Amino acid sequence: EAGVTQSPRYAVLQEGQAVSFWCDPISGHDTLYWYQQPRDQGPQLLVYFRDEAVIDNSQLPSDRFSAVRPKGTNSTLKIQSAKQGDTATYLCASRAGHFNQDTQYFGPGTRLLVL
Amino acid sequence: GDSVTQKQGQVTLSEDDFLFINCTYSTTTYPTLLWYVQYLGQGPQLLLKVTTANNKGISRGFEATYDKGTTSFHLQKASVQESDSAVYFCALDNNNAPRFGAGTKLSVKP
Repeated sequence: EAGVTQSPRYAVLQEGQAVSFWCDPISGHDTLYWYQQPRDQGPQLLVYFRDEAVIDNSQLPSDRFSAVRPKGTNSTLKIQSAKQGDTATYLCASRAGHFNQDTQYFGPGTRLLVL
Repeated sequence: GDSVTQKQGQVTLSEDDFLFINCTYSTTTYPTLLWYVQYLGQGPQLLLKVTTANNKGISRGFEATYDKGTTSFHLQKASVQESDSAVYFCALDNNNAPRFGAGTKLSVKP
């Protein structure tokens, strides 16, 4: 079974540029998460979906970040105008359900550097 | 809201040393407590989970236990190997999105 896949693996931007990250979860997983992991810190939740619905986006900086999962499968996270403080690894994760007995599986992440 | 605190930022051990990493948590419910391991260049992967029902989990030589009285949980291993060098995260899962601690970087010298 294929794991969670993410692309691109790396991105380097100047401040003010836009970037999109793409995630393909494990087939059949209805819950999908986006986390931001700054260097030497733990993953911090940005947003998560159940099927195509946003369940929690309270930590997503809505003025510059957006996330969609239109068909309840793949998802895209977009940064409209990147800042140096956005430098981090962006992790996508999925799980079969939303209950805590279901294991959460992470992709390898996209490492973003904003100059 | 739910939170988890992991204070040990870095631990350096020699092979065959004993490992102990502690986390504390705050929640109003009965969560599942998790330990993840993250190797360089990879996403975190689940190592162990502990629930209020079982209080203990064991996997790959690691053991996790959970103390409701002190709202803490810890990860231990009797004898670490160089291949255990990685970052270890504790996390709290309350049937929504797991919340992670800051991580403990373990370096094991041969």
